[in-house]
Amino acid sequence: EADIYQTPRYLVIGTGKKITLECSQTMGHDKMYWYQQDPGMELHLIHYSYGVNSTEKGDLSSESTVSRIRTEHFPLTLESARPSHTSQYLCASSGGLAGVTYEQYFGPGTRLTVT
Amino acid sequence: RKEVEQDPGPFNVPEGATVAFNCTYSNSASQSFFWYRQDCRKEPKLLMSVYSSGNEDGRFTAQLNRASQYISLLIRDSKLSDSATYLCVVNEATDSWGKLQFGAGTQVVVTP
Repeated sequence: EADIYQTPRYLVIGTGKKITLECSQTMGHDKMYWYQQDPGMELHLIHYSYGVNSTEKGDLSSESTVSRIRTEHFPLTLESARPSHTSQYLCASSGGLAGVTYEQYFGPGTRLTVT
Repeated sequence: RKEVEQDPGPFNVPEGATVAFNCTYSNSASQSFFWYRQDCRKEPKLLMSVYSSGNEDGRFTAQLNRASQYISLLIRDSKLSDSATYLCVVNEATDSWGKLQFGAGTQVVVTP
């Protein structure tokens, strides 16, 4: 089993609230990722990080922001939640050397509902 | 055109039968290939990596065909617990830092 954790698992919040989704891994992986997935739909990469102090936007435009101050921690923040942000957010990590793609391990996800 | 394409299914399979399905990828420079399994409303879990020579893990066999740019997954002696969506995953060939392209998934339903 992969050692990657996400909290909260479920969150229902009102429009306009600021929220932070937590993601932590204990595998020492340098690369971490955030995906967004609607029910029955495919995964979309919204943010990724190659290491501490490195963050990049993914393929799907997102109003969220991320930070990577510690190797094991990659939180995602929404400054002002909207109903369109309702989705499942999945965090993943991978290790390995630069230039080689290794498998990614996923956390259990945060199911966000914005009312 | 999507970089990774899969037949969405569903593939309805009687318990004990064999099912196989393919996935095509568009970039011939891709080097890493994986199959993930995703249960309804759960996170994707790595099923197996796919190697050039093909590989087998119990009832699951994965093959890579670089010439035709597809990978396949075969499930033998299907169990009810094999019901899931199977995601074909390929590395972004222009990216050397570990980003993956996920297919939309092939749904498999194993029936009693």
